[in-house]
Amino acid sequence: EVQLVESGGGLIHPGKSLRLSCAASGFVFDDFAMHWVRQVPGKGLEWVSGISWNGGNIDYADSVRGRFTISRDNAKNSVYLQMNSLSVEDTAFYYCAKDKLDDWGSYFDYWGQGILVTVSS
Amino acid sequence: SFVLTQPPSVSVAPGQTARISCGGNESGSKTVHWYQQKSGQAPILVVYDDRDRPSGIPERFSGSTSGSTATLTISEVEAGDEADYYCQVWDSSRDHVVFGGGTKLTV
Repeated sequence: EVQLVESGGGLIHPGKSLRLSCAASGFVFDDFAMHWVRQVPGKGLEWVSGISWNGGNIDYADSVRGRFTISRDNAKNSVYLQMNSLSVEDTAFYYCAKDKLDDWGSYFDYWGQGILVTVSS
Repeated sequence: SFVLTQPPSVSVAPGQTARISCGGNESGSKTVHWYQQKSGQAPILVVYDDRDRPSGIPERFSGSTSGSTATLTISEVEAGDEADYYCQVWDSSRDHVVFGGGTKLTV
């Protein structure tokens, strides 16, 4: 059974940093690209960032480029999102999602349950 | 940039057919995928590659495309189908994932 479990969320002050983790199991982790998708409570889905199976292809939404960094550790079956210079606009549920392909360009066949990041003074 | 437009809401009676559209703002076809998100839950994939269903998704869920518009059709709608539905494509020109704004289905 595929499982994606996010951790590291919580309440953080504006301007600070936070690192999200996603632990994967139930599939061959280094065969697939991984993504982070966020959702402001009550709003729609926004793709944040994606990383290919070996980390060779990485990209970000314009709203987070230069502040967020995605990475992965295939030995630990984990993907991470380092979030710097956080603002109140980054308050959202953050979902880890598995791509169907090794390099992205398709769809998300599995999602984590999501973790809430609240940026507030 | 590529934008996907969905109606904010669709309302149908139980047993009827719901159709949710997803229109792109650029010419040329892109493969469309659909997700269902029930209140308080993570999204799940219900249709991929325009019209295919993952295992475990009822045949009542189907996808189709015509020109630059994709449609998710849910036949014989049940109360349990009440959820937000999102379409998604891959914008190859920017190497980005794009979601539609979502449609709230009320049964």
